[in-house]
Amino acid sequence: QAGLTQPPSVSKGLRQTATLTCTGNDNNVGDLGATWLQQRQGHPPKLLSYKNNDRPSGISERFSASRSGSTASLTIAGLQPEDEADYYCSAWDRRLSALVFGSGTKVTVL
Amino acid sequence: QVQLVESGGGVVQPGRSLRLSCVASGFTFSEYGMHWVRQAPGKGLEWVAVIWLDGSHISYGNSVEGRFTISKDNSKNTLYLVMDSLRAEDTAVYYCATSKGGEDFDYWGQGTLVTVSS
Repeated sequence: QAGLTQPPSVSKGLRQTATLTCTGNDNNVGDLGATWLQQRQGHPPKLLSYKNNDRPSGISERFSASRSGSTASLTIAGLQPEDEADYYCSAWDRRLSALVFGSGTKVTVL
Repeated sequence: QVQLVESGGGVVQPGRSLRLSCVASGFTFSEYGMHWVRQAPGKGLEWVAVIWLDGSHISYGNSVEGRFTISKDNSKNTLYLVMDSLRAEDTAVYYCATSKGGEDFDYWGQGTLVTVSS
């Protein structure tokens, strides 16, 4: 199944803002939106944002999600060393009747 | 607190079968659908399968359809994945994760490693 498109890496300085993108189509991201996950090295993924762009309880306000058409975005404000991780988006594809993931973006905090 | 504990991973020869389990606690398991997601060493996340809260609907990823079977026993708070005809490319950490109300991945297990090798 074709996945969602994410840039492989993003590098930003401490306390800067990083914006990650996730591009799909009308059958997935453009339909119901995307979920965002953070995965630190050696750990399972952790939910950062629901498809409706709300944050789960306990997730910092520095993480905010949005969507424009078939592209979802995750903005990380005030980057901290602990934000270094891989970030994945996912969406349900109604044509494929399958869930699809992006290939992930590795965020490096300089 | 919510816990998902996977088990059943290990080393298995190509062509053989394996059954993974995911035991849930800390929430009402019967009110949740469940996913299996895998991650090959050094690679990204790959969706494997989903089962609705009452088992009424199941979907699989292309790479496992016809070989893997997902099931859910609400009386035992347990999710299963039976993996048949295993291949080297099925080598991965397998995670279970929740789904509720159209939203996915609130909770994840720690994963169990499956290695397919002769």
